[in-house]
Amino acid sequence: DTGVSQDPRHKITKRGQNVTFRCDPISEHNRLYWYRQTLGQGPEFLTYFQNEAQLEKSRLLSDRFSAERPKGSFSTLEIQRTEQGDSAMYLCASSLRDTEAFFGQGTRLTVV
Amino acid sequence: EDQVTQSPEALRLQEGESSSLNCSYTVSGLRGLFWYRQDPGKGPEFLFTLYSAGEEKEKERLKATLTKKESFLHITAPKPEDSATYLCAVQAMRAGNQFYFGTGTSLTVIP
Repeated sequence: DTGVSQDPRHKITKRGQNVTFRCDPISEHNRLYWYRQTLGQGPEFLTYFQNEAQLEKSRLLSDRFSAERPKGSFSTLEIQRTEQGDSAMYLCASSLRDTEAFFGQGTRLTVV
Repeated sequence: EDQVTQSPEALRLQEGESSSLNCSYTVSGLRGLFWYRQDPGKGPEFLFTLYSAGEEKEKERLKATLTKKESFLHITAPKPEDSATYLCAVQAMRAGNQFYFGTGTSLTVIP
């Protein structure tokens, strides 16, 4: 399978706990994006990497959110001190330069 | 501010009944307009990229067109398996490469 891979697919956590999601992009893609999607809405941009550099962050990305892409390969998104409002589908996508982005299957986060 | 508006929010069609979905956009210099299909609980699946007004792309029963202000996704003789949410996204020319998404059109095709 050469598509974008996300892990885990589902995560249930208690409010206040930290969670970390992983994304493995398509191997030759140098750009990686994180999006968040809630029911009935389109994906909302969170952050974007070109290789290992984080070039853009949304105002939605509070101090509790941090993303990394060490060595320009896989990426992790960490949410600290989770809140119920963080419940959503977290989507990762990758692209090659200025072309279309390909999405993974997402990580469904439920904060109880 | 870059903005994408999709209409209608929901569409129910009989199998074989052709129709069109609309994506209106406001962006300061369009780099590309993208159509995706999304099934429940899954990530968006890429369908088409359009770069300039007048461009058209086709795939099976789907055809995407682009003008300077909007894009249409035409569905010809749809089948129940075409039921999904169709998302439109734009990317601007300026520095920064995020994709701005609309809220999607939920399509249901009834056998």
